[in-house]
Amino acid sequence: AQKVTQAQTEISVVEKEDVTLDCVYETRDTTYYLFWYKQPPSGELVFLIRRNSFDEQNEISGRYSWNFQKSTSSFNFTITASQVVDSAVYFCALSVLRDGQNFVFGPGTRLSVLP
Amino acid sequence: DVKVTQSSRYLVKRTGEKVFLECVQDMDHENMFWYRQDPGLGLRLIYFSYDVKMKEKGDIPEGYSVSREKKERFSLILESASTNQTSMYLCASSEGDTYNEQFFGPGTRLTVL
Repeated sequence: AQKVTQAQTEISVVEKEDVTLDCVYETRDTTYYLFWYKQPPSGELVFLIRRNSFDEQNEISGRYSWNFQKSTSSFNFTITASQVVDSAVYFCALSVLRDGQNFVFGPGTRLSVLP
Repeated sequence: DVKVTQSSRYLVKRTGEKVFLECVQDMDHENMFWYRQDPGLGLRLIYFSYDVKMKEKGDIPEGYSVSREKKERFSLILESASTNQTSMYLCASSEGDTYNEQFFGPGTRLTVL
C-alpha cells in the first residue's frame, strides 16, 4: 500500500526566513509520481509540481525548490525568503502507475508566515 | 484555464436527508474525483470516474454514491446523511492518465446536524 507522511503538522516562521516542508513516502512500485499542492485560505488546492520516480534532479522555481531523494524516500519542499502570501496548507501526494486510481495525499503541513 | 466549480461553498443538512453535491469542469477532462478533507487526515478519495457512466470506489466509499451522466459533471450523493459525514468535500478533474495533475474546485463545507 502507498503512504505519504508529513511529520510537521504546523510550522510558523517570520517573513524572509527559509522553511523546509518534509515529505516521506512509501511504495513498492518502481514507477510513481510525487506532487506538491498548496491550499491557501480560500480553500482551492493549487498544483505546484510533479516529479516522476526516474527523475531525481532537484528543481527550482523562483523561491520554491524541491529535493527528491529516492534513497530516503523523501520529496522535501523549501521556500526561500518566505512571504506572508506563502501561508497555506501544503500537501504532498503520491500516485503510482497501475490500473485503477492510486493517488494518496499526506495529512498536510500548515505553514504560517508572520510579518 | 481549467475551471472546476462546485454547486455550494457551504451546506447545512439534517441527519437522514439525501444530499447532492455537484461538480462541473469545463476542460473536457476524462477523470473526475471526489475527496473529503478532514483535519489531520489530509484528502481521502471517496470515488472517482474515468469516463461517463464509469465509477470506481476510492478509499472511503461507504455511505456515498456517485453519478456521472455527462462528461463535465460528477455528482456525489449522500443517501442518508449522518453527522460523521460533516466535512469539506473537494472535487477534482484531470485529463488522460489518472496520475496526471489534478485540478481542484473550491470545496463544499457540509455540516450535518
